[in-house]
Amino acid sequence: KAGVTQTPRYLIKTRGQQVTLSCSPISGHRSVSWYQQTPGQGLQFLFEYFSETQRNKGNFPGRFSGRQFSNSRSEMNVSTLELGDSALYLCASSATSGRVNTGELFFGEGSRLTVL
Amino acid sequence: AQKITQTQPGMFVQEKEAVTLDCTYDTSDPSYGLFWYKQPSSGEMIFLIYQGSYDQQNATEGRYSLNFQKARKSANLVISASQLGDSAMYFCAMREGGTSYDKVIFGPGTSLSVIP
Repeated sequence: KAGVTQTPRYLIKTRGQQVTLSCSPISGHRSVSWYQQTPGQGLQFLFEYFSETQRNKGNFPGRFSGRQFSNSRSEMNVSTLELGDSALYLCASSATSGRVNTGELFFGEGSRLTVL
Repeated sequence: AQKITQTQPGMFVQEKEAVTLDCTYDTSDPSYGLFWYKQPSSGEMIFLIYQGSYDQQNATEGRYSLNFQKARKSANLVISASQLGDSAMYFCAMREGGTSYDKVIFGPGTSLSVIP
């Protein structure tokens, strides 16, 4: 069974640009979450999607957005990049029983974004 | 308000010794789940162990056990017989929510170094 796949693994952008990151969850998982990890702030919850709907959002500015497709794949977008957006962006998927997430989060290897 | 507290930023343990990593949490939701993840320098997040709030017994997974003290809101990870490969960051995390949303919050982490 394939794990969570994130692309790209590494990318470099300049301030003001935008970036789109992709996440393919484990087959059958309908919930996808995104996290930002930085040395200073640790792991911070960005948002969670279930069946193409954003169910919850963390405390991030509107420059951070996401979406989920009918096949459960998810993308997140960061517009007008700032130096502070440099981070490891982790995607995770969860199994569900009905609408309730069960068990652990399965993480991808992350997308490491550097903003110059 | 910080919901997951890990008071040990860094710890050292001798190889083959046992070590306890502390975690306290705060929630008013009677139904929640607690996780421990390991993150080696490679960056991948590895699931170690899970404890549900209604589980009667402490969770165990091989060399990992979770010392769950519900009244104290404590979920300490115990690693027995430490190995050099256990050197990594360890994150305690909590899942809140039910059918309407899913959010997993991570603590700041503890850096564990195993000394030969």
